[in-house]
Amino acid sequence: EVQLVQSGAEVKKPGESLKISCKGSGYYFTSYWIGWVRQMPGKGLEWMGIIFPGDSDTIYSPSFQGQVTISVDKSTNTAHLQWSSLKASDTAMYYCARRVEAFDYWGQGTLVTVSS
Amino acid sequence: AIQMTQSPSSLSASVGDRVTITCRASQGIGTDLGWYQHKPGKAPKLLISGATTLHSGVPSRFGGSGTGTDFTLAISSLQPEDSATYYCLQDASYPLTFGGGTKVEIK
Repeated sequence: EVQLVQSGAEVKKPGESLKISCKGSGYYFTSYWIGWVRQMPGKGLEWMGIIFPGDSDTIYSPSFQGQVTISVDKSTNTAHLQWSSLKASDTAMYYCARRVEAFDYWGQGTLVTVSS
Repeated sequence: AIQMTQSPSSLSASVGDRVTITCRASQGIGTDLGWYQHKPGKAPKLLISGATTLHSGVPSRFGGSGTGTDFTLAISSLQPEDSATYYCLQDASYPLTFGGGTKVEIK
């Protein structure tokens, strides 16, 4: 069974760093792109970027380029989304999803709250 | 970037009604479009890929059509469990872009 399991909710202060994770199982992790999607409170879905675990090829949305880093650890079948200095505006739910022809499997989401 | 204009932003319909949601792309995307259902507190679910292909396990009352710039998601007979927000997503070119969403409420 294909599963993407994300790390738990985080509460951070502005300026802190954070790395959240998305662990894939039940399929060849290195063969399919993994994307990240943001949903800010009360807003719609936004595509952030995508990584191919096989070779770490990464593509960012211009809106998120330089704001976050997407990476992968093939040894643990895990994709990561990280921030070096969080802002209050990073408060959102973050989803990872596997891309085949579309995003067919999704993680359960990680809620990130940034507040002083 | 390709802009996806989704309409309406919300609708209210009765159980058994036929409902349609449209997405218009700012340039042609062939059939590289997916539709997703998103309920509060849950992960989004893929309904339709390639503009018309029903994803495994999705009820047959959902259907997708369109090519190029104009796309439609139809629910042939609305059910209570269809209350959700629906999004289109173009995956023809990077950056991938979502429509603004359509909130479907049951009267």
